[in-house]
Amino acid sequence: AQSVSQHNHHVILSEAASLELGCNYSYGGTVNLFWYVQYPGQHLQLLLKYFSGDPLVKGIKGFEAEFIKSKFSFNLRKPSVQWSDTAEYFCAVTPSGGYQKVTFGTGTKLQVIP
Amino acid sequence: DAGVTQSPTHLIKTRGQQVTLRCSPKSGHDTVSWYQQALGQGPQFIFQYYEEEERQRGNFPDRFSGHQFPNYSSELNVNALLLGDSALYLCASSAYRGSYEQYFGPGTRLTVT
Repeated sequence: AQSVSQHNHHVILSEAASLELGCNYSYGGTVNLFWYVQYPGQHLQLLLKYFSGDPLVKGIKGFEAEFIKSKFSFNLRKPSVQWSDTAEYFCAVTPSGGYQKVTFGTGTKLQVIP
Repeated sequence: DAGVTQSPTHLIKTRGQQVTLRCSPKSGHDTVSWYQQALGQGPQFIFQYYEEEERQRGNFPDRFSGHQFPNYSSELNVNALLLGDSALYLCASSAYRGSYEQYFGPGTRLTVT
């Protein structure tokens, strides 16, 4: 069975600071990887996804993530955060192919201070 | 284009009771997954329905059951409610032969007293 670890539970940054949220997964086969975001009072929405190909994927709102297969990692990055990025971020993994049993990490709460 | 809708928004039940939650998938989607999100936790996969059959199941007891209808909508049933079942229940829809991208609904907040 797959599992996901998000090491940062709560991150506080000032506006314009750079962001990197860690995500590591455990699974023996090929995977699809996702980052979801949940803004205050809103429901989960997809930020970006990796299925195959270029390991550096770009998502909405200037976010990007890099899949490093050898490290089983899929870290989320943004060069310069804004107050509006305050939200909870979830990393998720699902085995490639077949039915889509998605496993989520415990989430990282990001607070951006103006 | 309506996204994923869930009903009801909030629900309060007593221990031992039974509850049914409902989900309508996004237009064009044929697969529905249910998740339980406890406070401060990530969503935990309960099960997934495709072609009216349960295709995948997480580590949840048989008290949790579901159904998918021919129009792809789905129900989650929980019997013999426990205090620990209090959580946000999320429904997500996707296209089975699509990109595996799941669209989430707003959730149903279940409180068991």
